[in-house]
Amino acid sequence: GIQVEQSPPDLILQEGANSTLRCNFSDSVNNLQWFHQNPWGQLINLFYIPSGTKQNGRLSATTVATERYSLLYISSSQTTDSGVYFCAVITQGGSEKLVFGKGTKLTVNP
Amino acid sequence: NAGVTQTPKFQVLKTGQSMTLQCAQDMNHEYMSWYRQDPGMGLRLIHYSVGAGITDQGEVPNGYNVSRSTTEDFPLRLLSAAPSQTSVYFCASRAGQGYGYTFGSGTRLTVV
Repeated sequence: GIQVEQSPPDLILQEGANSTLRCNFSDSVNNLQWFHQNPWGQLINLFYIPSGTKQNGRLSATTVATERYSLLYISSSQTTDSGVYFCAVITQGGSEKLVFGKGTKLTVNP
Repeated sequence: NAGVTQTPKFQVLKTGQSMTLQCAQDMNHEYMSWYRQDPGMGLRLIHYSVGAGITDQGEVPNGYNVSRSTTEDFPLRLLSAAPSQTSVYFCASRAGQGYGYTFGSGTRLTVV
């Protein structure tokens, strides 16, 4: 099945810093999502981004489907950005399943 | 819109008890799914549905039952709770092909 790999596994930033999280996937996909799991355990949908670039405030994401990767940019990080960031793809054919990467754990210090 | 609503948020069960985790969405989404999240195992698909009256098994369906009698509701039933079912359970929904998933806030279940 499709493999989803995220890097880095851990990231520690000072408030105000910028960061880039990467997601590589092993097969061609026509869907990809980025989620933020906050310290309270909630899974928040950040972007549904099969291709191209989207922006939402300080966050933006780019997916290059032909090269099988996606990037999540966080600018001017805040302590509330802390948590785990997951990318996930929905399998095609067969079961309707989200395949998650292992996540990037982000800690933003004040 | 309330989005995806899960109840209860916390539950403690004794081994052998049964219960139903509720999931409701008010976005008229066709697709709904149940996942469990365990440390070191990530999120695993339990059951999913692509429309009212249609359900199918995911990766870890044993010990769980689902039904989808309406578009809005997708309850997950634990038939006879076991300690191995201690987990955080998430319900998710999406409108269909070309749309992403929205997750509920989760149910933290402990089986003693």
